[in-house]
Amino acid sequence: SAVISQKPSRDICQRGTSLTIQCQVDSQVTMMFWYRQQPGQSLTLIATANQGSEATYESGFVIDKFPISRPNLTFSTLTVSNMSPEDSSIYLCSVEDDGYTFGSGTRLTVV
Amino acid sequence: AQSVSQHNHHVILSEAASLELGCNYSYGGTVNLFWYVQYPGQHLQLLLKYFSGDPLVKGIKGFEAEFIKSKFSFNLRKPSVQWSDTAEYFCAVNAALSFQKLVFGTGTRLLVSP
Repeated sequence: SAVISQKPSRDICQRGTSLTIQCQVDSQVTMMFWYRQQPGQSLTLIATANQGSEATYESGFVIDKFPISRPNLTFSTLTVSNMSPEDSSIYLCSVEDDGYTFGSGTRLTVV
Repeated sequence: AQSVSQHNHHVILSEAASLELGCNYSYGGTVNLFWYVQYPGQHLQLLLKYFSGDPLVKGIKGFEAEFIKSKFSFNLRKPSVQWSDTAEYFCAVNAALSFQKLVFGTGTRLLVSP
């Protein structure tokens, strides 16, 4: 199965700032997915990122808040913009890989 | 829109007890079904998956799940749990024609007491 390297693993950020999360896959994949896991809750899909096209966002998530880049078939970034304490969550990337493999996650705390 | 329900939010068992965690989904078409486990402080790991074929699926660590299409269910089972099975368990569904996105249930926290 694919191996995903996600970084940073955790960060504490000031409100109003932005954080960019990187996700590197060891093989080429068509689609990459970004999820959010709020404290004590399940995973919610933020957006699907295809190489060469704009990401597709789920209801409740907008590009201005969560801009995504997908410059090639092995890499993607998610930016959490203008952060507030409500953005404190774990953010995960995932690829479809005969069962969907997940990165180790980025634990974000906004203070 | 597809949705996934896990009715047991918290389960407490003693070691060697049998486990069954419920998972129901709402989607009338072809689905792929998954169970993931998240051990404390660790990332999600795939336990097992169902795409087609034998509805009884065996996964890692002695877990199995049965797909019952008529009940829209995919319950997870283990005949004898261990303390190391303490974790959170997530059921997830990927419906055909949904551009491969996974929809997760709310999760079940399992605590196994030694």
